[in-house]
Amino acid sequence: DTGVSQDPRHKITKRGQNVTFRCDPISEHNRLYWYRQTLGQGPEFLTYFQNEAQLEKSRLLSDRFSAERPKGSFSTLEIQRTEQGDSAMYLCASSLQQGRTDTQYFGPGTRLTVL
Amino acid sequence: QKEVEQNSGPLSVPEGAIASLNCTYSDRGSQSFFWYRQYSGKSPELIMSIYSNGDKEDGRFTAQLNKASQYVSLLIRDSQPSDSATYLCAVIRNTGGFKTIFGAGTRLFVKA
Repeated sequence: DTGVSQDPRHKITKRGQNVTFRCDPISEHNRLYWYRQTLGQGPEFLTYFQNEAQLEKSRLLSDRFSAERPKGSFSTLEIQRTEQGDSAMYLCASSLQQGRTDTQYFGPGTRLTVL
Repeated sequence: QKEVEQNSGPLSVPEGAIASLNCTYSDRGSQSFFWYRQYSGKSPELIMSIYSNGDKEDGRFTAQLNKASQYVSLLIRDSQPSDSATYLCAVIRNTGGFKTIFGAGTRLFVKA
């Protein structure tokens, strides 16, 4: 257990529905990341926050995806109008960025299945 | 060309042998490099980070970085069946925006 928690651990939804995932990072960590991972692939970067500011967003993140970290603590990732291609493991990671070190620790992930 | 490339494997080694995992990256400006282990159905767990050229040792693991060749490797000494997993190489790219890029991973099997 790294100290990063994610909720829910599993989500099954029907195509077209909206889903929201939550991530609670390690408390003193200032950076929070979202990734998506499909079978046989490495995690794919989606976005990251430094405190409450969203500093980078992948071009892969369509306008159906939105992430927030309102008070610089927990974060939510929302997917609107889900599609079957959104089925994947959604991973959250956090880090304490100091100088050039930025070691990320992952949560257990949320597995999304879109029917 | 993928930004971070790894042999997908599987790499099979006998118990007690040295497993050697390799990774190349394309962004010459990258500064931070990581190895993660991922068991099936689980999230990645950090094994090692390395930032400077040369070797870094931690127990049975040694990470090697060669920035001139854009190459990172991980050696696992005295491999155990419990080391059987997918090993992910990750690189933090600073060019064109800060972003962490993962390779697709190398599957390692350690035979008892």
